Amino acid sequence: QVQLVQSGAEVKKPGASVKVSCKASRYIFTTSDINWVRQATGQGLEWMGWMNPYSGNTGYAQKFQGRLTMTRDTSLSTAYMELTGLTSEDTAVYYCARGGPGDYWGQGTLVTVSS
Amino acid sequence: DIQMTQSPSSLSASVGDRVTITCQANQDIGNYLNWYQQKPGKAPKLLIYDASTLETGVPSRFSGSGSGTHFAFIISSLQPEDIATYYCQQYEGTFGGGTKVEIK
Repeated sequence: QVQLVQSGAEVKKPGASVKVSCKASRYIFTTSDINWVRQATGQGLEWMGWMNPYSGNTGYAQKFQGRLTMTRDTSLSTAYMELTGLTSEDTAVYYCARGGPGDYWGQGTLVTVSS
Repeated sequence: DIQMTQSPSSLSASVGDRVTITCQANQDIGNYLNWYQQKPGKAPKLLIYDASTLETGVPSRFSGSGSGTHFAFIISSLQPEDIATYYCQQYEGTFGGGTKVEIK
């Protein structure tokens, strides 16, 4: 069974950065895109961007351009999502998902931004 | 970014009812449309991709249709376990606002 295991919860101060990891297992990491999606409490799903783990190519939602970076380490089968310039509005659960149709999802990582 | 408009935002129906949710894109996305189910505290679950293809293991009471800019998601006979929020999503892109489905 494909698994995506994300790093643990984070608490950050406004203006800081956060880097969330997503470790893939039981499939060939470089054969499927990784998407990142976030969800604030009680709100809908918000797509952030995609990354092709083979090429490293990325595509970001316009809203996050300039402060979002997606990277990967193919030797570890791990994708990373880094968001800078955090504000309270970035408090949310962040998910990684495999593929364009996200057929497998990570368990989610709660990022709390608070002074 | 492409905008996805989903309606209704919530609905209440009886067990056994047919439920329809619509999703409209503001530009042609072909059939690159996914539907997800999300229950509280859980990650979304893929139900349908390519607008009408049922993901493996998903009950056949769920179906999808459409192409271009107009799409529909149907539950043919609502079951108690279908209580959830449903989202459409453009392939590797924007989500609709979600539809919360409740039992009447």
